[in-house]
Amino acid sequence: NAGVMQNPRHLVRRRGQEARLRCSPMKGHSHVYWYRQLPEEGLKFMVYLQKENIIDESGMPKERFSAEFPKEGPSILRIQQVVRGDSAAYFCASSYSGTKDEQFFGPGTRLTVL
Amino acid sequence: GENVEQHPSTLSVQEGDSAVIKCTYSDSASNYFPWYKQELGKRPQLIIDIRSNVGEKKDQRIAVTLNKTAKHFSLHITETQPEDSAVYFCAAYFSGGYNKLIFGAGTRLAVHP
Repeated sequence: NAGVMQNPRHLVRRRGQEARLRCSPMKGHSHVYWYRQLPEEGLKFMVYLQKENIIDESGMPKERFSAEFPKEGPSILRIQQVVRGDSAAYFCASSYSGTKDEQFFGPGTRLTVL
Repeated sequence: GENVEQHPSTLSVQEGDSAVIKCTYSDSASNYFPWYKQELGKRPQLIIDIRSNVGEKKDQRIAVTLNKTAKHFSLHITETQPEDSAVYFCAAYFSGGYNKLIFGAGTRLAVHP
């Protein structure tokens, strides 16, 4: 049973470009969460999605950031017009149910904005 | 507001000693408290968790205690080994019906041989 997959593992973008981060949950999991980890800091909740629905996006910046989890395919975290402050590790996690189950984390995508 | 405070931020112990990390949370309705270990450059991995219907849980050298009245929980690692060196995060699920996992700021544990 493959774990949570994320790609790319490393992404370099110049200021103003777009970044697309992908997350495939564990098989059988339909709940996906995105977290951001700035260097030397903890994990900050960004958004919680189920298939085709955003359940809680209270941790997402209001502008430039969006997330989706389509019926088919991976969840996507999209950052438009990236700035240097967006440089961070972005982790995706998945869980089997939405009732306080263990969340399994992916390996993360390390975004560097030049 | 939703907040988890974690102390200390760094902890240095000698191999074989015990290590204790403490967390407090703000939402009295929280009922699930996982602990994650993150090695440098790697993903967070669950090492132990506790639900609010128990006060203590053990797994070999690791134990977690929960005091719901005081809204704090602690991680205890006994007989520490160099491979225990990592950053440890506590977390709490906050009420509102959804799985919003709020993390503490982390504790960097260094175990010296």
